[in-house]
Amino acid sequence: SQTIHQWPATLVQPVGSPLSLECTVEGTSNPNLYWYRQAAGRGLQLLFYSVGIGQISSEVPQNLSASRPQDRQFILSSKKLLLSDSGFYLCAWSPNYYEQYFGPGTRLTVT
Amino acid sequence: AQSVAQPEDQVNVAEGNPLTVKCTYSVSGNPYLFWYVQYPNRGLQFLLKYITGDNLVKGSYGFEAEFNKSQTSFHLKKPSALVSDSALYFCAVRKENNRLAFGKGNQVVVIP
Repeated sequence: SQTIHQWPATLVQPVGSPLSLECTVEGTSNPNLYWYRQAAGRGLQLLFYSVGIGQISSEVPQNLSASRPQDRQFILSSKKLLLSDSGFYLCAWSPNYYEQYFGPGTRLTVT
Repeated sequence: AQSVAQPEDQVNVAEGNPLTVKCTYSVSGNPYLFWYVQYPNRGLQFLLKYITGDNLVKGSYGFEAEFNKSQTSFHLKKPSALVSDSALYFCAVRKENNRLAFGKGNQVVVIP
């Protein structure tokens, strides 16, 4: 069966520091991968989307970036964090273009 | 543009009573609809989907959803709510670019 991992589970970082969040999927190949951010008000915002290694689509302009160095690995990064980057970051994968399956999330607090 | 609306912020229901969480959609063409549940500080869990076929879709944990084309609705239902069903529920629709558009979410509170 397929499993999706995210780490770290929680992170507290100062403003201006770099960020690296990792997501990996097991038990499948060539998945579609997604990064979302969920603010305190509960809504989900799609940040990045990838259909293959090195293929990244950005949904909104921001100081975040994403990379997919391997088929089942998706990384979210920032060179300098802002206070507004705080939130709950969710990675998801899909075997097709229908349902998506979410990881456990990373709670990021920028201080 | 494809979108969904969840008109209620919170739904309160007594344990053992039927639970309904409302969702309406706006699409051009055939809709592909989904329901997810989120427990505190956890990722979203997929409950069920409607792609085509029967209007009544059965999913995980005893949940089902009814697709109604004339009312453009896809309400989530459970015949008898449990306290453990208290969570945040999201409706979603697949957009033209194959991304998912999520509703704002519905907080369900099941009262013992």
